[in-house]
Amino acid sequence: DIQMTQSPSSLSASVGDRVTIFCRASQSIGNYLNWYQQKPGKAPRLLIYAASSLQSGVPSRLSGSGSGTEFSLTISSLQPEDFATYYCQQSYISPLTFGGGTKVEI
Amino acid sequence: QITLKESGPTVVKPTQTLTLTCDFSGFSLNTGGVGVGWLRQPPGKALECLAVIYWDDTKRYSSSLKSRLTITKDTSKNHVVLTMTNMDPVDTATYFCAHLDRRSGGYSAFDYWGQGALVTVSS
Repeated sequence: DIQMTQSPSSLSASVGDRVTIFCRASQSIGNYLNWYQQKPGKAPRLLIYAASSLQSGVPSRLSGSGSGTEFSLTISSLQPEDFATYYCQQSYISPLTFGGGTKVEI
Repeated sequence: QITLKESGPTVVKPTQTLTLTCDFSGFSLNTGGVGVGWLRQPPGKALECLAVIYWDDTKRYSSSLKSRLTITKDTSKNHVVLTMTNMDPVDTATYFCAHLDRRSGGYSAFDYWGQGALVTVSS
């Protein structure tokens, strides 16, 4: 199975900050990488697919980049609604696997 | 509008079999490229994909749980069922079902999710 490793596991930031979260795959996955946001008690929300394509309705302050084994999610100017946990997920090959999550908190 | 909703027992005893149903609307599991997945999240922990069933009845399972899982679909009833045998307290988690969409270029993603169902394994 492909292992997905996220870093950091948590970070503290303030409104307006630029924040970057990293995700590493245990083998090359091309750009078959998705990002999700999850708030407490809620289902995850798809943010980005194919490493850099913004899901409909997701604000443009979020962006994704990377290919192969190294990926990142950047929030250009953190907003109050962005405080949440973020997960990466590879869709290259089954079984589909997720990273351990990155909690973005104040 | 795509919606999904999980249903099943909230508590199961150790060694019992868990059966969860995902009722969905707004799409057909007969449509090429579409899938429905079951995922879970233990309290305070990360997401884990348990199983996915595709429009062509292809099934994919978690490597570590494969021997305990069965996923089936009933396209006439618009639901997907997951069974997990030999439940253990470590299987206590919120179980989600989600729509898996295959986009251009072969990329797929879980773009619609149910609200989740908490299942507690306890005697």
